[in-house]
Amino acid sequence: DSGVTQTPKHLITATGQRVTLRCSPRSGDLSVYWYQQSLDQGLQFLIQYYNGEERAKGNILERFSAQQFPDLHSELNLSSLELGDSALYFCASSVASEYTGELFFGEGSRLTVL
Amino acid sequence: GENVEQHPSTLSVQEGDSAVIKCTYSDSASNYFPWYKQELGKGPQLIIDIRSNVGEKKDQRIAVTLNKTAKHFSLHITETQPEDSAVYFCAASIRNNDMRFGAGTRLTVKP
Repeated sequence: DSGVTQTPKHLITATGQRVTLRCSPRSGDLSVYWYQQSLDQGLQFLIQYYNGEERAKGNILERFSAQQFPDLHSELNLSSLELGDSALYFCASSVASEYTGELFFGEGSRLTVL
Repeated sequence: GENVEQHPSTLSVQEGDSAVIKCTYSDSASNYFPWYKQELGKGPQLIIDIRSNVGEKKDQRIAVTLNKTAKHFSLHITETQPEDSAVYFCAASIRNNDMRFGAGTRLTVKP
């Protein structure tokens, strides 16, 4: 158990809809990262938050947004969903932002868009 | 930005044999190279990492080698066991928020 909690584990929705994925980082970790993993694809970095502030953006679509709350949990909002958004979405956390070290991943939220 | 290529995409070995997975990276400034193991239905988990000031690191049956000149690094698993079956990802980064992952290698260890 990594200590990172993601909900929901599975989500099925229709095109055009909006969903929110939630992540609670490991106790003490200030940094949260969101990754997308499509079928047979590697992990694509979407966005990072550190202590409530956005720190870095990767390949995140304009239809997607995220935020980190004062209690450090984070939410990833996906809107105007398309079939191609079907994927596993992982949240990871780490203690700090500007160093390199272990990322602790949750078990992911599997999104299916029909 | 950084680009990480990983080979092979699938690897099947007999129990007890060795497995080698190779990665190359493009950004010579990258200085941190972790390997993650992802079991079915789970999130990736760090199994070993190496920094640019070290050429090799070993942890029991797992070892990683780094060649900074050639910009490639490899994961070596010896005496493979069925529980080693998983998807393995390499990554390269300067900071955690610029970590780039390879596409993954699906390792199957046959009993």
